[in-house]
Amino acid sequence: DVKVTQSSRYLVKRTGEKVFLECVQDMDHENMFWYRQDPGLGLRLIYFSYDVKMKEKGDIPEGYSVSREKKERFSLILESASTNQTSMYLCASSLDPGTNMQYFGPGTRLTVT
Amino acid sequence: RKEVEQDPGPFNVPEGATVAFNCTYSNSASQSFFWYRQDCRKEPKLLMSVYSSGNEDGRFTAQLNRASQYISLLIRDSKLSDSATYLCVVVRRGSYIPTFGRGTSLIVHP
Repeated sequence: DVKVTQSSRYLVKRTGEKVFLECVQDMDHENMFWYRQDPGLGLRLIYFSYDVKMKEKGDIPEGYSVSREKKERFSLILESASTNQTSMYLCASSLDPGTNMQYFGPGTRLTVT
Repeated sequence: RKEVEQDPGPFNVPEGATVAFNCTYSNSASQSFFWYRQDCRKEPKLLMSVYSSGNEDGRFTAQLNRASQYISLLIRDSKLSDSATYLCVVVRRGSYIPTFGRGTSLIVHP
């Protein structure tokens, strides 16, 4: 069975902390994505990666960075967390997002206080 | 104009009803279309792809109208378990990036 896992379901951090969100997929997919989802705004793409060590900015990359050192793992980093980064973070992977489905992880609910 | 637009709803329907949602897209170069379902506090999951000729999966029918640039999802004989948010997804030709609509909320009541 296809699996995308995320390191935490719930996370509470303080303003200014560095935050790491990790995502692992077991499907050997090239493409991985990080989204945030907020009420009324839907899913917004932060970054995506189409290969190891490759990354592309999405619609809202400011305040975030990513790392993809291994094919199965895609990390999202908040260098200095701020309260406006409180959100649900969803990781997804896909073999070919143009023609195939995306598989999502269960999400991480991040609260920055 | 947003690239992908959906009526947020909620659509409130009784069990057994037929309900339809539309999703409009602005980029005529869009080539792939999907409907995802997202339950409350859960991740989105693929419901069905949308093919040019239209496609059906049990009680669900998806259609694409390229001329008017919209896709639709029809749910027949609604069940309580159909209550969820339905996300429209569009992918432009040559792009890695799917664009998600904000979703349409469906509530099926007894």
